[in-house]
Amino acid sequence: GAGVSQSPSNKVTEKGKDVELRCDPISGHTALYWYRQSLGQGLEFLIYFQGNSAPDKSGLPSDRFSAERTGGSVSTLTIQRTQQEDSAVYLCASSLLREGRSNEQFFGPGTRLTVL
Amino acid sequence: GNSVTQMEGPVTLSEEAFLTINCTYTATGYPSLFWYVQYPGEGLQLLLKATKADDKGSNKGFEATYRKETTSFHLEKGSVQVSDSAVYFCALSALSGGYNKLIFGAGTRLAVHP
Repeated sequence: GAGVSQSPSNKVTEKGKDVELRCDPISGHTALYWYRQSLGQGLEFLIYFQGNSAPDKSGLPSDRFSAERTGGSVSTLTIQRTQQEDSAVYLCASSLLREGRSNEQFFGPGTRLTVL
Repeated sequence: GNSVTQMEGPVTLSEEAFLTINCTYTATGYPSLFWYVQYPGEGLQLLLKATKADDKGSNKGFEATYRKETTSFHLEKGSVQVSDSAVYFCALSALSGGYNKLIFGAGTRLAVHP
């Protein structure tokens, strides 16, 4: 079936504006992750969703960042009052979660965010 | 805490040369180890993985062996091709609270010239 999809593929915004990034995980995958890939920072974990459990938000860099996952499927990452340091590629991944096992994560193509 | 350290790039090789990209990790418990690859303009793809000590992951001619005694997972390929030019990420995944999140190294850019 289809892989993880993300939209938009590119987003250019002005400093101070809000942006929303969307992720459609692979159908049936219960776990969803957001990561950020930025120059000089590598890849960093942002947030994790699993079913109806409370998300792990431990990686969110500030309270300007939030994410939700509606109906256990599509997820939206929102960045409020964007700053230039938010410029990065935002990656979404999904996986099946089988208890006690490490599960492969499948990544989307990413959204490249540029804050001017 | 958990962390991954991999050799800095860029690594520049001629076609058919031998490749090694070093990766070491720090982790509590028994992590799984991965190599992901990102080709130009594309998303991250899993290249290979190993889930326990002494396991060898292999794919597309690449290999990496999970060495618990040296906490390493070095990536090797005997003869690289121009099409192998990409950024390679070493990562670990440790189960915590019933799920895993990937901890990535900084990435190593490989450029292979004809």
